[in-house]
Amino acid sequence: DAGVIQSPRHEVTEMGQEVTLRCKPISGHDYLFWYRQTMMRGLELLIYFNNNVPIDDSGMPEDRFSAKMPNASFSTLKIQPSEPRDSAVYFCASSRTGQRPQHFGDGTRLSIL
Amino acid sequence: AQTVTQSQPEMSVQEAETVTLSCTYDTSESDYYLFWYKQPPSRQMILVIRQEAYKQQNATENRFSVNFQKAAKSFSLKISDSQLGDAAMYFCAYRSGSRGAQKLVFGQGTRLTINP
Repeated sequence: DAGVIQSPRHEVTEMGQEVTLRCKPISGHDYLFWYRQTMMRGLELLIYFNNNVPIDDSGMPEDRFSAKMPNASFSTLKIQPSEPRDSAVYFCASSRTGQRPQHFGDGTRLSIL
Repeated sequence: AQTVTQSQPEMSVQEAETVTLSCTYDTSESDYYLFWYKQPPSRQMILVIRQEAYKQQNATENRFSVNFQKAAKSFSLKISDSQLGDAAMYFCAYRSGSRGAQKLVFGQGTRLTINP
């Protein structure tokens, strides 16, 4: 089975631009998670979905961040407008119901200049 | 709120030797899960091993084993016969066992270096 697929792998953009990160979870997984990793704060959960419905978005930093899951095989994390402090590695992960472990994608390294 | 602490920012070990990475956590729950994830320079987050709190037996996966001390809230990872490919950041993580709970809480990580 293919793992969690994220795109792009790297993104460099200027402050103020809109950024869209993409994720395809493992087929059959009904939970999808977005994490952010920075040196200062480590790995933080931003939001997670169950059956395409957002369950907990308490980790989303502010209104500039939004996430959607239009179907079971695709999710986006959007930042608009982007700021230099948003620079980080963003991970998507998925899991199956039943307290199964989360499987992570390779992450997107985002640099906002 | 649950917290996870990894007190060793960096560790190093000679190839073929054994190394133990420490992790402690704070929770008032009795049912939960603990994980160790490995993050090599390629940036992937790879699940190494998992432990259910209700199981007394320590989990083992080939050269990787844990020492789970529930009363002490300690969850250390032992890597035997260290190999160069084991060099990575290692993260300890906690997840509640409550029905529907999915959030992983991560420690700050330990960078493991393997000396040839």
